[in-house]
Amino acid sequence: NAGVTQTPKFQVLKTGQSMTLQCAQDMNHNSMYWYRQDPGMGLRLIYYSASEGTTDKGEVPNGYNVSRLNKREFSLRLESAAPSQTSVYFCASRRIASTDTQYFGPGTRLTVL
Amino acid sequence: AQSVTQLDSHVSVSEGTPVLLRCNYSSSYSPSLFWYVQHPNKGLQLLLKYTSAATLVKGINGFEAEFKKSETSFHLTKPSAHMSDAAEYFCVVSENTGGFKTIFGAGTRLFVKA
Repeated sequence: NAGVTQTPKFQVLKTGQSMTLQCAQDMNHNSMYWYRQDPGMGLRLIYYSASEGTTDKGEVPNGYNVSRLNKREFSLRLESAAPSQTSVYFCASRRIASTDTQYFGPGTRLTVL
Repeated sequence: AQSVTQLDSHVSVSEGTPVLLRCNYSSSYSPSLFWYVQHPNKGLQLLLKYTSAATLVKGINGFEAEFKKSETSFHLTKPSAHMSDAAEYFCVVSENTGGFKTIFGAGTRLFVKA
């Protein structure tokens, strides 16, 4: 039982390059989330997926797209990376309800030059 | 709309003294509230959560928090700080509005002096 896994752990991009961050969970959770963490700003919600087949924008969705590939996997894509997207990205999942605990992946540290 | 305000960006205490990390929230619905902890270069771990049962919630490592609806607060406390408590703490609100949108506070960094 690996919990929530994220790949890659580290990535350096040049401005304008694209990439996809991968997230998978093996806990049979329905909801999945992508956050970015920047100093002094906590975690900000980028996109979330309440259940397989649905996705919704969070607080800071601009410049990102997501795909809920199946119940296990939720990917985050940067189509044209910008230096402002330099951040640590966390994926999380929860079983179903707002009362459930979110479980977080280890994070991806992304630098855009 | 929901929001979370952590009233202190940094808190410094001496080992063995009480800890108080303050959190106020705003929510249109009856929220669920959480405290998470993040140690340096680590992921996030749940400390405790409030889900409309008892208003005084006990968590791991001696932490507890009290939900006060009239004050829209959910402050985190611990009677006696330990060096290992040094970390960043996040207050989180979640509404059961179908999407289960979850909002984090900006975080409070706790320093513990020997």
